[in-house]
Amino acid sequence: QSALTQPASVSGSPGQSITISCTGTSNDVGDYNLVSWYQQHPGKAPKLMVYEGTRRPSGVSNRFSGSKSANTASLTIFGLLPEDEADYYCCSHAGSSTWVFGGGTKLTVL
Amino acid sequence: EVQLVESGGGLVQPGGSLSLSCAVSGFTFSNYWMHWVRQSPGKGLVWVSRINSDGSSATYADSVKGRFTISRDNAKNTLFLQMNNLRAEDTAIYYCARAFAQCTGGSCLDSWGQGTLVTVSS
Repeated sequence: QSALTQPASVSGSPGQSITISCTGTSNDVGDYNLVSWYQQHPGKAPKLMVYEGTRRPSGVSNRFSGSKSANTASLTIFGLLPEDEADYYCCSHAGSSTWVFGGGTKLTVL
Repeated sequence: EVQLVESGGGLVQPGGSLSLSCAVSGFTFSNYWMHWVRQSPGKGLVWVSRINSDGSSATYADSVKGRFTISRDNAKNTLFLQMNNLRAEDTAIYYCARAFAQCTGGSCLDSWGQGTLVTVSS
């Protein structure tokens, strides 16, 4: 149950697009299409943004898009807005009904 | 409105025990898998445990296996986490979260509580 690998930080200007990667192994990210992404603002509970790799819950902006290739999942945010500044976490099923999160990525909107 | 409210956090000495509760409302609790996730101060999210809808199956992170027990009372719409033999590294905000019904295998969490802080220190 080793944490998935995410960059510690990414940044972008308003209107730009950024991508956050999430690298696991063939036992988690690579073995299941069960990666989810969460947004967390300071002092707040996490919010589900993408699930099953590419799907968005109702109410989540279509500026948020998920993808996956082999052992790496990615979250792309198009048209950055100031309110997108937050921490982002990926999470994957890791077999035997256990889950593993990534270490988190701090997004700064310049 | 879906609500999850954790309680039971506090200061406990190493080796001690603590029991957390998560009272839910606004949905049919007995239909959903539930999870506990923790976050140490200034650190990332860590999955702790999961229980299925009728409480017959539970799984744990290796770091808490044998020390923590997840359970639920569907009649009282409440989720529990019994934590024994606590260590300093268990210090964290503990969140309860609901598994999203549309997510295969309960693999994503669509509703979260605000968390309860557990501090393990002498």
